[in-house]
Amino acid sequence: VQLVESGGGLIQPGGSLRLSCAASGFIVSSDYMNWVRQAPGRGLEWISIIYSGGSTKYADSVKGRFTISRDNAKNTLHLQMNSLRAEDTAVYYCARESPDSGGMDVWGQGTTVTVS
Amino acid sequence: QSVLTQPPSVSGAPGLRVTISCTGSRSNIGAGYGVHWYQQLPGTAPKLLIYDNTNRPSGVPDRFSGSKSGTSASLAITGLQAEDEADYYCQSYDSSLSGNVFGSGSKVTVL
Repeated sequence: VQLVESGGGLIQPGGSLRLSCAASGFIVSSDYMNWVRQAPGRGLEWISIIYSGGSTKYADSVKGRFTISRDNAKNTLHLQMNSLRAEDTAVYYCARESPDSGGMDVWGQGTTVTVS
Repeated sequence: QSVLTQPPSVSGAPGLRVTISCTGSRSNIGAGYGVHWYQQLPGTAPKLLIYDNTNRPSGVPDRFSGSKSGTSASLAITGLQAEDEADYYCQSYDSSLSGNVFGSGSKVTVL
């Protein structure tokens, strides 16, 4: 069971970036999938979730700018990030959440996004 | 400013017991939503330590235990070891925000 993120990099303010999170060992569409970020030297911040039924939720800090989605055929989670700001600079993690017991039990290694 | 409040730092000598508190409100912990705890070692992704208030995933030592009461939860580490030096975060769901929320994080130092 594994998650591998990709797509991070250096981007100018106002730009766009698309993060991907490839899953193996389980089916992304069967579980809840989250994006969590961590700014340099700061704590964890939840930013988005896509439920197994397909509905989505966002933190106020990214609502209207970020879009979470999944590609069931490729078993991959995505995060489309638009209108990026300096304060979006962080390590972005994808994480699986068990619908039954809660808790994010599988995490990716993280991908770094730098807005500058 | 985090919805769930934790002490910034906790310390203890090897072998002793430390506890980390996580204080929420009636829209998260107090509403009955489960509390989950994560350990983050420097430069690594978080790891699930306790789920649904008191449960340990397979492989997590029984030195780690969780509890919940009212609008607060706690993580206890007994028999503190040098390898326990890390950042610890609580997490729950908040009905007012309609999303998951994390605590502010606590750094555990083994003296």
